[in-house]
Amino acid sequence: EAQVTQNPRYLITVTGKKLTVTCSQNMNHEYMSWYRQDPGLGLRQIYYSMNVEVTDKGDVPEGYKVSRKEKRNFPLILESPSPNQTSLYFCASSLSRVGNSPLHFGNGTRLTVT
Amino acid sequence: KNQVEQSPQSLIILEGKNCTLQCNYTVSPFSNLRWYKQDTGRGPVSLTIMTFSENTKSNGRYTATLDADTKQSSLHITASQLSDSASYICVVSASRDGTYKYIFGTGTRLKVLA
Repeated sequence: EAQVTQNPRYLITVTGKKLTVTCSQNMNHEYMSWYRQDPGLGLRQIYYSMNVEVTDKGDVPEGYKVSRKEKRNFPLILESPSPNQTSLYFCASSLSRVGNSPLHFGNGTRLTVT
Repeated sequence: KNQVEQSPQSLIILEGKNCTLQCNYTVSPFSNLRWYKQDTGRGPVSLTIMTFSENTKSNGRYTATLDADTKQSSLHITASQLSDSASYICVVSASRDGTYKYIFGTGTRLKVLA
């Protein structure tokens, strides 16, 4: 089944403790991206990747890192999480960033930073 | 400033009734407009994608319209079902210099009652 898989689904951590949220897609998609979703705000892009070893900042990249060493994986790294990073995070992939390819989203990771 | 505004914020209807959700955008240069359905606790799922030249597109009981002149789109749901209860997100894609950017609306939360 074609899908985007995020792990974990839920994560509670403390301020400053490094964490990684994994994202994997099995559709051989070139484009992958991370979003955060907060109440009253639309999905906001954190980082995106056009292909292996190609990453770029989105609208809200501060406090986050990503890597794209393989086409299928795009982990999101929080080196020193803070309470304002408490949010619902989504990974998405698309055949390409151009044209009419739909975004395929994972089921989200709810992160709480205390 | 690129913006996507959706209305209403929330809507309650009875099962079997029709409803229409609105999306107004100020995004330039426009590439395409997408509607996504997001069930509670899940990632958004693509319903339709429309380019500048398309006025209407259907996906089962969902019909999206686009008026590129007035920069308005609507999503019409026919004969609603309990499973239509979800948030519906309008996303406009802007293109510039070969790169694309997605601008997300904050969504309309639909509740279908039996």
